[in-house]
Amino acid sequence: SQQGEEDPQALSIQEGENATMNCSYKTSINNLQWYRQNSGRGLVHLILIRSNEREKHSGRLRVTLDTSKKSSSLLITASRAADTASYFCATDAGGYSTLTFGKGTMLLVSP
Amino acid sequence: GAVVSQHPSWVICKSGTSVKIECRSLDFQATTMFWYRQFPKQSLMLMATSNEGSKATYEQGVEKDKFLINHASLTLSTLTVTSAHPEDSSFYICSARDLLAGTSYNEQFFGPGTRLTVL
Repeated sequence: SQQGEEDPQALSIQEGENATMNCSYKTSINNLQWYRQNSGRGLVHLILIRSNEREKHSGRLRVTLDTSKKSSSLLITASRAADTASYFCATDAGGYSTLTFGKGTMLLVSP
Repeated sequence: GAVVSQHPSWVICKSGTSVKIECRSLDFQATTMFWYRQFPKQSLMLMATSNEGSKATYEQGVEKDKFLINHASLTLSTLTVTSAHPEDSSFYICSARDLLAGTSYNEQFFGPGTRLTVL
């Protein structure tokens, strides 16, 4: 069952601005991952953060995880038009459990 | 990184026909593959987990007889939509888990998706 909820559902910003997306979940997790999906395409893995980690960086991406609040945020700094896509968080409960996806945030970055 | 392909990338069929979608892991072995369905502007919904050499595990509400899954090898899983109807029109995405990856890193590699349109 789907447990992740992202907000906002849609976000429109100008190039160069930062974009922040949030994800909340309901049950205990082992890992939380963020994926990007360009329109009509498959998913691209962006970053994984483990339940015992609080923050992780990868290039222009910064992910935080607050297990006490069951929430995570994805920050994209200095956004580019090419960052326009839908962003999904996905959680798993450990082992070989399945991924549960959130509803996603549609990000539009205007030149 | 690991690559997963899907074929076809899009298909249009008449109502009542069956459509087969292939999912292949190109440079790694996958004992487990997953099939998702995604409606426009919505998230991915897991349909079933495909296990090599055994029966697939379907999520609640997914009809086993309508969505036939076969995972005949460590690099290929197929999803057959039988007697397709317009409401089956959707974007179908598969993913694969690397056999050699540990359980602490539950990363799935996603295919590019297949757009199914049933007329």
